[in-house]
Amino acid sequence: RKEVEQDPGPFNVPEGATVAFNCTYSNSASQSFFWYRQDCRKEPKLLMSVYSSGNEDGRFTAQLNRASQYISLLIRDSKLSDSATYLCVVNHGEGGGADGLTFGKGTHLIIQP
Amino acid sequence: EAGVAQSPRYKIIEKRQSVAFWCNPISGHATLYWYQQILGQGPKLLIQFQNNGVVDDSQLPKDRFSAERLKGVDSTLKIQPAKLEDSAVYLCASSYTRWDTQYFGPGTRLTVL
Repeated sequence: RKEVEQDPGPFNVPEGATVAFNCTYSNSASQSFFWYRQDCRKEPKLLMSVYSSGNEDGRFTAQLNRASQYISLLIRDSKLSDSATYLCVVNHGEGGGADGLTFGKGTHLIIQP
Repeated sequence: EAGVAQSPRYKIIEKRQSVAFWCNPISGHATLYWYQQILGQGPKLLIQFQNNGVVDDSQLPKDRFSAERLKGVDSTLKIQPAKLEDSAVYLCASSYTRWDTQYFGPGTRLTVL
């Protein structure tokens, strides 16, 4: 099965700092990429999609490097509410309508006051 | 807009017993997914439905797991008989089409004793 690898952390970061996560994927034919956020004992929620040209949403910036098969997420001016697990997600789009997402194990982020 | 509904939220059973989970996707969503999330790991796709047809069940342990979506709306996932290693959160997700964002339900937390 296709793999998505992440550093599980935890990353302990002071409030206001900038933090970055990377994720690598094994299938070079992968088509769609996402970052999901999962709070403790809650369901995953889409944080942002990741586009080839890179994209930004407020304090969050996502980038994709297809040549090296990695995805990054940058969080600027981190807030206490950013504390969560960040899941790197890849849709391999294997055809035939099979579009289940492959999740990494997640990176645990703790923002400290 | 109502989200994905799942029930029960929690279930405790003994090994070798049977259990069933129910999912009601967001209205109008044609694609439905079941994921298994073991503690400390990312969700793993078990099965994907497109309307009432199975698109991908390659990671479903078919000797003990079964799922159906008879009318293309609600879905049930069954485990019979359960094993200790089935203890996990079972997440249901739906999307309008295979290309759209997947929205997750709150999950069913299963404990097998």
